[in-house]
Amino acid sequence: GAGVSQSPRYKVAKRGQDVALRCDPISGHVSLFWYQQALGQGPEFLTYFQNEAQLDKSGLPSDRFFAERPEGSVSTLKIQRTQQEDSAVYLCASSREFDRAQFSNQPQHFGDGTRLSIL
Amino acid sequence: KQEVTQIPAALSVPEGENLVLNCSFTDSAIYNLQWFRQDPGKGLTSLLLIQSSQREQTSGRLNASLDKSSGRSTLYIAASQPGDSATYLCAVKDDSWGKLQFGAGTQVVVTP
Repeated sequence: GAGVSQSPRYKVAKRGQDVALRCDPISGHVSLFWYQQALGQGPEFLTYFQNEAQLDKSGLPSDRFFAERPEGSVSTLKIQRTQQEDSAVYLCASSREFDRAQFSNQPQHFGDGTRLSIL
Repeated sequence: KQEVTQIPAALSVPEGENLVLNCSFTDSAIYNLQWFRQDPGKGLTSLLLIQSSQREQTSGRLNASLDKSSGRSTLYIAASQPGDSATYLCAVKDDSWGKLQFGAGTQVVVTP
């Protein structure tokens, strides 16, 4: 496809359930980012992949959050034992940049997000 | 820790007026600054990206300036239209891996 695709668009879960959110980046994009956006706020960084390697997970709020990108393309963000405070929009972005030394200025392309509501 | 602030939080203008949106950041050691547009229930659409070595970028009715030393960027939208109504976010890249630090956004309404 032409853009970043995320599924599902909406997810409602009961507190304590596990959820999995999927991101299909733009074909050929090496870098993949996950962000969390609370209502009325800007997105907050969660984690970063370069191909299949998770190079930065400093933004993951707790060990209940886990992300993977096993073949360097599709990524899954998993949240275990969901809590109400996990309710947010989860955005995925991809970009072509891959070389830390390049100071590359490729823009990040965002998907439409998954709106997660925890009851 | 980098902090990005956008003022005002909300703005309403009549159609045809020029829009001026402000973004400030606390750490001037950035690689680039990006302006995004977000429509309700949608993801972010990149509008303009200004590299740290540049002072401005233009695309159609949009012009963004960057003053790295003072930690400021301004997005100008000329001759606003109702279709410009959206939330505008600025983000800085101050990490070579690429993660972006966002402001909270300015919600713009352009009235016909």
